Amino acid sequence: KQEVTQIPAALSVPEGENLVLNCSFTDSAIYNLQWFRQDPGKGLTSLLLIQSSQREQTSGRLNASLDKSSGRSTLYIAASQPGDSATYLCAVSGMNRDDKIIFGKGTRLHILP
Amino acid sequence: KAGVTQTPRYLIKTRGQQVTLSCSPISGHRSVSWYQQTPGQGLQFLFEYFSETQRNKGNFPGRFSGRQFSNSRSEMNVSTLELGDSALYLCASSPSSGQADTQYFGPGTRLTVL
Repeated sequence: KQEVTQIPAALSVPEGENLVLNCSFTDSAIYNLQWFRQDPGKGLTSLLLIQSSQREQTSGRLNASLDKSSGRSTLYIAASQPGDSATYLCAVSGMNRDDKIIFGKGTRLHILP
Repeated sequence: KAGVTQTPRYLIKTRGQQVTLSCSPISGHRSVSWYQQTPGQGLQFLFEYFSETQRNKGNFPGRFSGRQFSNSRSEMNVSTLELGDSALYLCASSPSSGQADTQYFGPGTRLTVL
């Protein structure tokens, strides 16, 4: 049974710093991995999707990496801004078409002005 | 293109009542998935509908049901509400079924059961 873990559950960093969020999963047989952002009381916004054959994806100040063999992914945020404050969730999809997406519980990020 | 819309945004019900939530996907998307989000359990998959057929179902009791209409709009119903059903219910749409496509989420319906 796939389990997705995100540590730490919460993180506060000063504005301008680069930071890394971690995601680990127990079953390396994944189809893809996604990183989402969720603002308080709102829905999820997809940030980056990495296919299992890829090692990383980049979008602006965000870079996500995937190491399937070790069951890990990281989301790197460069030059953090107060607007980056949100909860970041990672989610993995299994290899079978009917596999459900499994989410981690997220890391709540607070950027200090 | 308009995003995923969910109605209502907020609901307050009492134990034992039933509730229906609605989700309108992005135009052209045929798959709608529903999720329950609580502080303790996080985001949990409820079910997915594609072309009016339930494609997949999570581990929730039969009190949770759904359907999809020919225009891809979907409804979720919860009968005999329990206090533990209080949660943010999110729906997500994607062009096709399965894990290949990115899912686009709506803002959610916040359900409070008293």
